[in-house]
Amino acid sequence: SYVLTQPPSVSVAPGQTARITCGGNNIGSKSVHWYQQKPGQAPVLVVYDDSDRPSGIPERFSGSNSGNTATLTISRVEAGDEADYYCQVWDSSSDHAVFGGGTQLTVL
Amino acid sequence: QVQLVESGGGLVKPGGSLRLSCAASGFTFSDYYMSWIRQAPGKGLEWVSYISSSGSTIYYADSVKGRFTISRDNAKNSLYLQMNSLRAEDTAVYYCARTWELLRKNWFDPWGQGTLVTVSS
Repeated sequence: SYVLTQPPSVSVAPGQTARITCGGNNIGSKSVHWYQQKPGQAPVLVVYDDSDRPSGIPERFSGSNSGNTATLTISRVEAGDEADYYCQVWDSSSDHAVFGGGTQLTVL
Repeated sequence: QVQLVESGGGLVKPGGSLRLSCAASGFTFSDYYMSWIRQAPGKGLEWVSYISSSGSTIYYADSVKGRFTISRDNAKNSLYLQMNSLRAEDTAVYYCARTWELLRKNWFDPWGQGTLVTVSS
């Protein structure tokens, strides 16, 4: 089965740029989606199809995907961005959705 | 606005059954695929099941295949998850999510608030 690997944690100072990676075999050939989950809340889609943003999501959130790594980039990080972030793909070979293990973003 | 409201969670003994429901509003339910996704306490997200807009295409995670059944009633704008032979490891918050199916690039937006299922004796 397809596996997505995320770092357990990323820390960044306010105003700086956070980069959260999602590794997978030839992930660049897949479409990657990212979700933000704050404590006690349901996940919220922040990037879909590698780099598109849903309406209402700030332009500070962007995504890229190439080779074996997809990246969620959060520019000008704010305290309110502190959350868990998950990447997700659809594995067509198994017809299963696959989530990464999640990355906890801490704003110092 | 788009709203998804899950219900039916609770405490059940191992081997027992439970049926979850998800009431949808604010969009044409019959036009969209839908999914169930769960999250064990303190753990990450795990996809459970997916159903096409007509109900003709259904997929399950290996961990629940043969025990869980997803269904929908488009006339009632509702999604269901029948869970049988429940195990302790099925303990989780269960979310329903509208599923965007585009050239098999499926993603989930939005999600409901979730309903907690606890399997314990």
